[in-house]
Amino acid sequence: QSALTQPPSVSGSPGQSVTISCTGTSSDVGSYNRVSWYQQPPGTAPKLMIYEVTNRPSGVPDRFSGSKSGNTASLTISGLQAEDEAYYYCSSYSSSTLVVFGGGTKVTVL
Amino acid sequence: EVQLVESGGGLVQPGGSLRLSCAASGFIFSSYWMTWVRQAPGKGLEWVASIKKDGSEKYYVDSVKGRFTISRDNAENSLYLQMNNLRAEDTAVYYCARDRDFARDYWGQGTLVTVSS
Repeated sequence: QSALTQPPSVSGSPGQSVTISCTGTSSDVGSYNRVSWYQQPPGTAPKLMIYEVTNRPSGVPDRFSGSKSGNTASLTISGLQAEDEAYYYCSSYSSSTLVVFGGGTKVTVL
Repeated sequence: EVQLVESGGGLVQPGGSLRLSCAASGFIFSSYWMTWVRQAPGKGLEWVASIKKDGSEKYYVDSVKGRFTISRDNAENSLYLQMNNLRAEDTAVYYCARDRDFARDYWGQGTLVTVSS
């Protein structure tokens, strides 16, 4: 059961935009609009940021946006703020395992 | 307010057993799928198991099949994870989470399971 592939780290200055990619296969990301993204500051529980590829739960700033093309989903953080520094994980429904997570990406605000 | 509170973690020897509980409140528990997710120290999130609203369907990651059992008591608003034949690689913080729209929209604070002799 392979995890989705994310870059280990991305960084940006305050106010800039960063994009995190999440690459899967035709068994998960490529075939279903069931990709979600989670934010996890160190020592805390994950928090849902995006569901069903593009939807934001109530209370999540509109600086966070999601998209998908083929087998790759992406999370973009626009207008980066210091409080956005955290680990981010993607997840997808999978026809083979039900749920699969990415390995996580550390976002650093320079 | 939705709340999920895990309990039951601790130190256990390899081959031992542990039962995790997750007490849910603030929503109609029986209307949602529920999931366990774990995170080994310094590592990423790993899906462990999910259970349908009425408990009639259960799904597991391959590494725990035959050793872990997910269950729920809708009358008690509680989710469980029975873990048998524990291994060192099962050491992790275990989170319970509510499922909605194919995502985990609420998470507990987690409970730490340490498998060591």
